[in-house]
Amino acid sequence: GAVVSQHPSRVICKSGTSVKIECRSLDFQATTMFWYRQFPKKSLMLMATSNEGSKATYEQGVEKDKFLINHASLTLSTLTVTSAHPEDSSFYICSARDPGQGARIGETQYFGPGTRLLVL
Amino acid sequence: DQQVKQNSPSLSVQEGRISILNCDYTNSMFDYFLWYKKYPAEGPTFLISISSIKDKNEDGRFTVFLNKSAKHLSLHIVPSQPGDSAVYFCAASEGSRLTFGEGTQLTVNP
Repeated sequence: GAVVSQHPSRVICKSGTSVKIECRSLDFQATTMFWYRQFPKKSLMLMATSNEGSKATYEQGVEKDKFLINHASLTLSTLTVTSAHPEDSSFYICSARDPGQGARIGETQYFGPGTRLLVL
Repeated sequence: DQQVKQNSPSLSVQEGRISILNCDYTNSMFDYFLWYKKYPAEGPTFLISISSIKDKNEDGRFTVFLNKSAKHLSLHIVPSQPGDSAVYFCAASEGSRLTFGEGTQLTVNP
């Protein structure tokens, strides 16, 4: 099946610094990628939808200046947490849609393994 | 406002028995429902889905049931195997957006 990678798998940073998380589709071209955030024992919350070559669409309540998303190529999207604070500590997970499969979106959405961010 | 809820954070069953995972939703605009399976250190993977126009979909050992009037869906796994031990997420689709439940940790004991 399709593979989506994320890097790094975990990161610890100091408060006030910025952290970049990469999401790559390894064997397909993804015109659309999604970024989710998951708190402990909570559901995956969609943060934004990233379309290649255009601006990301952010969900209500997500600060676009805080969480910068760039989808510069068909295989790479990045999420940058700017001026990170302890409350940004969370599990961030991306997914990429393989448009070539033509099925319903949820069935062709492949998830990365996630990135654990800890802000001290 | 949690539109998709999985009220059981964990479930433990014996190998060979049936596992039943439940999910409730509140948004009547959802038109497609999915179950994902997640192993530790891996992303969720698609397992099975059902359209809102159906009430049952079966794929091997996995069957999803949808009760629209009750806004409830369930995933049945029979017979359960130790390799089925994972976190199961239900999700609902409205257009291109997926809304996830909190997940249920299933443990299948040998």
